[in-house]
Amino acid sequence: QSALTQPASVSGSPGQSITISCTGTSSDVGSYNLVSWYQQHPGKAPKLMIYEVSKRPSGVSNRFSGSKSGNTASLTISGLQAEDEADYYCCSYAGSSTFGVFGGGTKLTVL
Amino acid sequence: EVQLVESGGGLVQPGGSLRLSCAASGFTFSSYAMSWVRQAPGKGLEWVSAISGSGGSTYYADSVKGRFTISRDNSKNTLYLQMNSLRAEDTAVYYCAKEKDIVATITFDYWGQGTLVTVSS
Repeated sequence: QSALTQPASVSGSPGQSITISCTGTSSDVGSYNLVSWYQQHPGKAPKLMIYEVSKRPSGVSNRFSGSKSGNTASLTISGLQAEDEADYYCCSYAGSSTFGVFGGGTKLTVL
Repeated sequence: EVQLVESGGGLVQPGGSLRLSCAASGFTFSSYAMSWVRQAPGKGLEWVSAISGSGGSTYYADSVKGRFTISRDNSKNTLYLQMNSLRAEDTAVYYCAKEKDIVATITFDYWGQGTLVTVSS
């Protein structure tokens, strides 16, 4: 059960857009449209931001969007705001035996 | 309002056991799969175990298979994680997480605040 691969850190200025990649394999990201993204502020529980690759839960800003191509999923945050500074984790369903795998996490810094 | 409240964490010696609980409210508990997800200090999230709504199907990460047992009591709206043969690398905050839909798909729409488990002599 290898973790999905995310960049350790990304940064951007307020108002800019950033994209975080999440690379898996044909056994997880590539096989299922069950990729989700979570935002975690220090000392807090994770919050669901994107599910099923590109769907937004009620209450999540439309500045957050998701996509997938092959074995790589991506989270894009447009119009960066200070409160977006947090850790972001991708997660993918990986079949009934492995079940689930998270990415290593990406620290977003808003400059 | 959905609430998930974990309890049972603490300090335990290597080789010891601990049972975590997660009290759920605000939704029809028996209709949803549930999972435990952990986070070692300063590290990322790791899915640990999942259980179907009925409790009939369970799933484990390789890192805990054979040592941890997930269970649920739908009459008490409570999720459990029995942890045996604990190792230092099991030290983490353990989160209880609710699946967004009835089917378990590793999509968690609600999380508890976590309970810290420390394995040390």
